[in-house]
Amino acid sequence: GIQVEQSPPDLILQEGANSTLRCNFSDSVNNLQWFHQNPWGQLINLFYIPSGTKQNGRLSATTVATERYSLLYISSSQTTDSGVYFCAVGLTGANSKLTFGKGITLSVRP
Amino acid sequence: GAVVSQHPSRVICKSGTSVKIECRSLDFQATTMFWYRQFPKKSLMLMATSNEGSKATYEQGVEKDKFLINHASLTLSTLTVTSAHPEDSSFYICSARHPGAGGYEQYFGPGTRLTVT
Repeated sequence: GIQVEQSPPDLILQEGANSTLRCNFSDSVNNLQWFHQNPWGQLINLFYIPSGTKQNGRLSATTVATERYSLLYISSSQTTDSGVYFCAVGLTGANSKLTFGKGITLSVRP
Repeated sequence: GAVVSQHPSRVICKSGTSVKIECRSLDFQATTMFWYRQFPKKSLMLMATSNEGSKATYEQGVEKDKFLINHASLTLSTLTVTSAHPEDSSFYICSARHPGAGGYEQYFGPGTRLTVT
């Protein structure tokens, strides 16, 4: 099956800093999502981004499907950004399941 | 929009009993829902894909007779853990595929923490 690698596994930032989270995948995909899992376990949808670039406030994401990677940018980080960030990939069609990476644990310190 | 609920949020049961977890899409209809399992500090592992009105498709290694899935309506899927044992203790999360904007974005419920004693 498809392999998803996220890096770095852990990230510690000072409040106000910027960061880039990376997601590499081993095969062609046309379905890709980024999530933030909060301390209570809820996955929050950040981006549905099978290709291209999107921005939402301080967050933006870029997927280059032909090169099999996606990047999540966090600017001016805040303590509330802390948590685990997951990238999940897959294919559209009848079998539209997602394969998750292991996640990136982000800690933003005041 | 795109809200998915799960009930209960937390359940403790005795070994050998069965537990049912409900997953509802509150403001959209979902022909496809998914069930995941997450161990502490680990990633999400897909257990099965649930399609409304048909049998669920289980991932390799997941016992279909132990984890019964029913998707009887476009807004409700249930997962029943039968004859639960301590090793079934875990965080179970469902998701629903939203029909809008391409139709493949998944939205997740808040999860159910199951403890089997």
